[in-house]
Amino acid sequence: QQQVKQSPQSLIVQKGGISIINCAYENTAFDYFPWYQQFPGKGPALLIAIRPDVSEKKEGRFTISFNKSAKQFSLHIMDSQPGDSATYFCAASFYNQGGKLIFGQGTELSVKP
Amino acid sequence: DTEVTQTPKHLVMGMTNKKSLKCEQHMGHRAMYWYKQKAKKPPELMFVYSYEKLSINESVPSRFSPECPNSSLLNLHLHALQPEDSALYLCASSQVVGGGLDEQYFGPGTRLTVT
Repeated sequence: QQQVKQSPQSLIVQKGGISIINCAYENTAFDYFPWYQQFPGKGPALLIAIRPDVSEKKEGRFTISFNKSAKQFSLHIMDSQPGDSATYFCAASFYNQGGKLIFGQGTELSVKP
Repeated sequence: DTEVTQTPKHLVMGMTNKKSLKCEQHMGHRAMYWYKQKAKKPPELMFVYSYEKLSINESVPSRFSPECPNSSLLNLHLHALQPEDSALYLCASSQVVGGGLDEQYFGPGTRLTVT
């Protein structure tokens, strides 16, 4: 019940296309859902995050869509660029979990020029 | 400024060595974290410090010993490590643990190789 399932494992998108990465969870107590972007040899960088009181959050080309009833959330990258090529991790946590983030397994995104 | 710094960037150590990893943040955050990350895997939580007190130890072997000397500094002392401990060690910080102020910011990591 503590798992976050992420798909796809890898994704190839043409430059200018839309990249979509999906995550699903079981524990309805989760109340914080961040996305991290990680380049090889670097630490994860917080990209965007959402809480369950909203269904969508947009920051620049990055949008999180959140479906509370389906227990799913997704990251959409509009106008994907080669510089977006990285590994993306979704995660979830809840207030009484003491700060513990439950990560998805990651999606390796490659944007082709 | 959301910078977390970690030193060293790379570390090679033998199984009998003792070494330390260092993490620093100057954002006034009161929660700090150690994670371990293997290649092509997500980060795995090791320890959480909240207000300089250890609040979570994810059953980490005693050859890893964390220390939080003050609210800006976090150390990870290493002793008698095994080759399978080779990984990227990440430090993170957040304003507090939970409570809506829990966005975690990661440092660049220390690449550890145990020979």
